[in-house]
Amino acid sequence: AQSVAQPEDQVNVAEGNPLTVKCTYSVSGNPYLFWYVQYPNRGLQFLLKYITGDNLVKGSYGFEAEFNKSQTSFHLKKPSALVSDSALYFCAVRDSGNTPLVFGKGTRLSVIA
Amino acid sequence: GAVVSQHPSWVICKSGTSVKIECRSLDFQATTMFWYRQFPKQSLMLMATSNEGSKATYEQGVEKDKFLINHASLTLSTLTVTSAHPEDSSFYICSAPIGGGAIAEAFFGQGTRLTVV
Repeated sequence: AQSVAQPEDQVNVAEGNPLTVKCTYSVSGNPYLFWYVQYPNRGLQFLLKYITGDNLVKGSYGFEAEFNKSQTSFHLKKPSALVSDSALYFCAVRDSGNTPLVFGKGTRLSVIA
Repeated sequence: GAVVSQHPSWVICKSGTSVKIECRSLDFQATTMFWYRQFPKQSLMLMATSNEGSKATYEQGVEKDKFLINHASLTLSTLTVTSAHPEDSSFYICSAPIGGGAIAEAFFGQGTRLTVV
């Protein structure tokens, strides 16, 4: 079975500082990993995904994520946080086929001016 | 880019009535649509998977007679909450994968906030 853990319910960062939102996963096969962002009362927006190849994946809005197979992690990062980055972030995984994504419980990011 | 349009974005209904939520894929054909439910400050819970032209597959614990899903065409999937009760109040989101296989991105509708009074 697939699962995703986001150990932090809330992350607070000062504007301009780097941010990290943590994610670890568990799959039986090869992991296909995704990050999504959700703004209040909105659907999820795709940020980036890891399929294969380079462990550092770059995505939308300056976000990037690093795949670490030995630590089974896929942490989301951004070098310099913006207040507008404040939102709910979800890590997700699937390991095969046209199956639905399995989501973590989400991490609320607050960027303080 | 691909767009999934979900309507309505919010609805308030009386207990005992039914509510229909529509999800349309605007510039692609969605052979599969996933329906999720999200409780406040919680993750997305998969309710069911609908495939065009066939019966939906429901997750364990989801009442198929209460949450009717229809996927009549490649661009439209609907979720009807029948005889709604206050405990059905939630945020419902649809999602369609683009392309096939494990690498497919999922595109989400804007979500529907249902409040049953």
